Amino acid sequence: AQKITQTQPGMFVQEKEAVTLDCTYDTSDQSYGLFWYKQPSSGEMIFLIYQGSYDEQNATEGRYSLNFQKARKSANLVISASQLGDSAMYFCAMREGRRPGANSKLTFGKGITLSVRP
Amino acid sequence: DSGVTQTPKHLITATGQRVTLRCSPRSGDLSVYWYQQSLDQGLQFLIQYYNGEERAKGNILERFSAQQFPDLHSELNLSSLELGDSALYFCASSSRQGLGAADTQYFGPGTRLTVL
Repeated sequence: AQKITQTQPGMFVQEKEAVTLDCTYDTSDQSYGLFWYKQPSSGEMIFLIYQGSYDEQNATEGRYSLNFQKARKSANLVISASQLGDSAMYFCAMREGRRPGANSKLTFGKGITLSVRP
Repeated sequence: DSGVTQTPKHLITATGQRVTLRCSPRSGDLSVYWYQQSLDQGLQFLIQYYNGEERAKGNILERFSAQQFPDLHSELNLSSLELGDSALYFCASSSRQGLGAADTQYFGPGTRLTVL
């Protein structure tokens, strides 16, 4: 079963508008971390934002915020005031929690392509 | 710039050959992770080292091996290369192998391997 699901097709947003990129996850752990990374066409993976499963508030980092709905197991990324430089592939990832044999690896979704239109 | 460096940036080689990819983690980070990104498999975890010791293995082929040296840099060795090994190989580092925001993994720019 997929642990991280990103099912949106390529997304388009007008410059200066907000956009939400969807991510749902599956885990039986109580303690876990959720991450979003951006991969521009140049190929590097850029960390954007982190949300811990016990964090009571949604994470925010500048124009990025994470809409964390634990009961629904969703961790959607919201980008406000989109810029042309936001055009990239966006990956949601999860690190599962403390249990025997657990490690710190990240499990990634398949990614969502975002295109920002001028 | 994440602070993680990887060399070389591009590598073109032939089937059956062996290559070594190098990674230097961010200053102070003890954990190094290797990931492979291919079109068909997406981003897959290969292996993790923490302070010189192997901590976790993912979908790493027996033809692949890695190590982390006392200065904390890491090398990923790929041997008997096949066409299907063509991919983008990322190294990531984090400050510890525990939980929490401090365990955020920062990725290097990647090494693009092409096997002809």
